[in-house]
Amino acid sequence: DAGVIQSPRHEVTEMGQEVTLRCKPISGHNSLFWYRQTMMRGLELLIYFNNNVPIDDSGMPEDRFSAKMPNASFSTLKIQPSEPRDSAVYFCASGGLAGRGDTQYFGPGTRLTVL
Amino acid sequence: QQPVQSPQAVILREGEDAVINCSSSKALYSVHWYRQKHGEAPIFLMILLKGGEQKGHDKISASFNEKKQQSSLYLTASQLSYSGTYFCGTESGNTPLVFGKGTRLSVIA
Repeated sequence: DAGVIQSPRHEVTEMGQEVTLRCKPISGHNSLFWYRQTMMRGLELLIYFNNNVPIDDSGMPEDRFSAKMPNASFSTLKIQPSEPRDSAVYFCASGGLAGRGDTQYFGPGTRLTVL
Repeated sequence: QQPVQSPQAVILREGEDAVINCSSSKALYSVHWYRQKHGEAPIFLMILLKGGEQKGHDKISASFNEKKQQSSLYLTASQLSYSGTYFCGTESGNTPLVFGKGTRLSVIA
């Protein structure tokens, strides 16, 4: 199994530009999670999906952030417009249904730098 | 509610033992442990479900005290490869994982 796949691995953009992060979860997993990691705030859950349906997006910091999961094998996290404070490592993880004691497996992450 | 990890950081010499603690103010369904090396993704170590079980593989084991809402990760005879940041994640009810701030472990020769 290839594991969780994320692209791009690195993204450098200028303030105000749109950024789209992509994730392919492990086949057969029911849930997909988007996290943001910074030194100051640690690992924060932004949003998660169960069976392609967004369940909880309370971690999404602002309306500039949006996420979709059009099918079981693909999800995107979009930031529009981007700001320097969005600079962080964004992880996608997949696993069994949230809250049921199932393991989450993390992708390699996307390191985003907004200038 | 974010679980609290202690210590925040620890330095060990090869062969020494360490304990990392994770506590929550909420009743827990499960505790998950991950290790993250610099510049890499968190890697799953083990999961403990309510019932007070203890798990382990190789020289890394963990316990879960459901009544105290605490878990501990035990690293014995540490190796250089154990260096990294250890995170506990907790689940309560049907809520997704909430991660602690991490414990930075450095093993030196």
